[in-house]
Amino acid sequence: KAGVTQTPRYLIKTRGQQVTLSCSPISGHRSVSWYQQTPGQGLQFLFEYFSETQRNKGNFPGRFSGRQFSNSRSEMNVSTLELGDSALYLCASSLDEISYEQYFGPGTRLTVT
Amino acid sequence: DAKTTQPTSMDCAEGRAANLPCNHSTISGNEYVYWYRQIHSQGPQYIIHGLKNNETNEMASLIITEDRKSSTLILPHATLRDTAVYYCIAYYSGGSNYKLTFGKGTLLTVNP
Repeated sequence: KAGVTQTPRYLIKTRGQQVTLSCSPISGHRSVSWYQQTPGQGLQFLFEYFSETQRNKGNFPGRFSGRQFSNSRSEMNVSTLELGDSALYLCASSLDEISYEQYFGPGTRLTVT
Repeated sequence: DAKTTQPTSMDCAEGRAANLPCNHSTISGNEYVYWYRQIHSQGPQYIIHGLKNNETNEMASLIITEDRKSSTLILPHATLRDTAVYYCIAYYSGGSNYKLTFGKGTLLTVNP
């Protein structure tokens, strides 16, 4: 069974631009979560989607948004990029709303210059 | 979710058992203990979880004390590839939280 895939793997953007990251969960998984990882703050929860509904959101500004499609694929968008948004963005999927064995993708390394 | 406390770093010799402790003294009765690890530059990997009883799978064993205030993850025969940051998380699976809160974790270094 294929794992969680994230595209692109690496991205370089400039301040003020926006970016869209994509995540394809494991087949059959309906929950997708997004995390930001930086050396200073560690792994921080961004948001979680289940059946196209956002069920929880972390403490991030409104510039960070996401959505989930009917096939469970998910995208996250960051608008008006800032230097501090440089991070590894990780997507994780889990089977359903009860199981919390999350399976993480390899991440998208975003660099903002 | 209950706060967990782990040592910042640990060393282990290759082939020996690695015992990683975690303190979760404020854990509530319905919170599970989850362990994940993150090898450098990769996404975290689920290892094991448990509620009360000790658990074992192909990767590791989880020993939870009777009072549930602490637990130990055991890698029975550590290899160099087990060098990673190990995260212990207390989480209630079934509520409306839907997020894992990762702490700083323990950097386990397996030495040859």
